[in-house]
Amino acid sequence: EAGVTQFPSHSVIEKGQTVTLRCDPISGHDNLYWYRRVMGKEIKFLLHFVKESKQDESGMPNNRFLAERTGGTYSTLKVQPAELEDSGVYFCASSQGGTVQETQYFGPGTRLLVL
Amino acid sequence: DAKTTQPNSMESNEEEPVHLPCNHSTISGTDYIHWYRQLPSQGPEYVIHGLTSNVNNRMASLAIAEDRKSSTLILHRATLRDAAVYYCIPEEGAQKLVFGQGTRLTINP
Repeated sequence: EAGVTQFPSHSVIEKGQTVTLRCDPISGHDNLYWYRRVMGKEIKFLLHFVKESKQDESGMPNNRFLAERTGGTYSTLKVQPAELEDSGVYFCASSQGGTVQETQYFGPGTRLLVL
Repeated sequence: DAKTTQPNSMESNEEEPVHLPCNHSTISGTDYIHWYRQLPSQGPEYVIHGLTSNVNNRMASLAIAEDRKSSTLILHRATLRDAAVYYCIPEEGAQKLVFGQGTRLTINP
């Protein structure tokens, strides 16, 4: 069974540009999460989808970030326009159920560098 | 967010047991304690979780204090592949994981 996949693995963009990150969860997992680690900080929760609906988006830093999960399968996270402080590693995770007791399976992350 | 305290780093030798402590004194009575780890250049991965009783799985054991204010992750025979950052994460009634600084475990050959 394929795990959580993320694309691209690395992205280098200039300040002001747009970047779109993609996450493909494990097949059949209704719950999808985005997290990120910015330089020198802890891994922080961004948002949680249940199928195509946003269950919790309390961690989204500002309106430059837009997450979608059309059709309840893969998800995209768009940053527009990107700022220097957005540099970091963006992780996606998925789980079968929606309780925190359910194991979350993480992807390898997308390393974003904004110059 | 619940407050957790873990050592910043620990070191052990290959094939020896490792005990990774975590204090979570503000945990509520019904919150599970989860442990995840992050290997170099990878995303976090689940290790184990428990509520009150000690738990065992193929990766590790989790010993939970009777008052639930602390727990210890036990790797019975550490291998080089166990070198990672280990995160103790008390459930907080929400579905998100709240990561702290974690403990960076180094395994010496």
